[in-house]
Amino acid sequence: DGGITQSPKYLFRKEGQNVTLSCEQNLNHDAMYWYRQDPGQGLRLIYYSQIVNDFQKGDIAEGYSVSREKKESFPLTVTSAQKNPTAFYLCASSIRVGEQFFGPGTRLTVL
Amino acid sequence: LAKTTQPISMDSYEGQEVNITCSHNNIATNDYITWYQQFPSQGPRFIIQGYKTKVTNEVASLFIPADRKSSTLSLPRVSLSDTAVYYCLVGEDTNAGKSTFGDGTTLTVKP
Repeated sequence: DGGITQSPKYLFRKEGQNVTLSCEQNLNHDAMYWYRQDPGQGLRLIYYSQIVNDFQKGDIAEGYSVSREKKESFPLTVTSAQKNPTAFYLCASSIRVGEQFFGPGTRLTVL
Repeated sequence: LAKTTQPISMDSYEGQEVNITCSHNNIATNDYITWYQQFPSQGPRFIIQGYKTKVTNEVASLFIPADRKSSTLSLPRVSLSDTAVYYCLVGEDTNAGKSTFGDGTTLTVKP
């Protein structure tokens, strides 16, 4: 089955620790995205990558980092510099921006 | 970026037609309009996309007036399973950095 996988579904970390969220897709899409969603809020773009070895900051990139070494993978690291990292993180991929395919999400809780 | 405005919430009853409007007064010439559906703790799912006039698929219709400053998602004969948050995304189809999700409309379908 083609799709996007994110792991783990739930993640707990202590304050001050870096944590990396996994995102893998086998849809052969060039573009991949990371969004953050807070309770009752919409999606905010963190980073996006339109091609391997290239990525761009979105609206709220501070405190996050990404890499795109392979077409299939776009991991997101939440660093200790992110002031309020507890949130629901969504990864997506697409051929065109308008039709993005989303993963199931990772709910990160920083204790 | 084209800022979008949607109603925060809407209520409907099973079997009714539901129309959700998104305002995007400063939409640019190259911008498309895309709608997504999101259930709790899941990633959004693509519903429909359009540029102008009317687009219809098996689940919804999208109406876009000539000035393109707004768009209306129409869901025919809703059921309880259509209870979800609906997002309007406006932006260039090839540039994620120039696309933005609205805050979403929570649709509640009652029996």
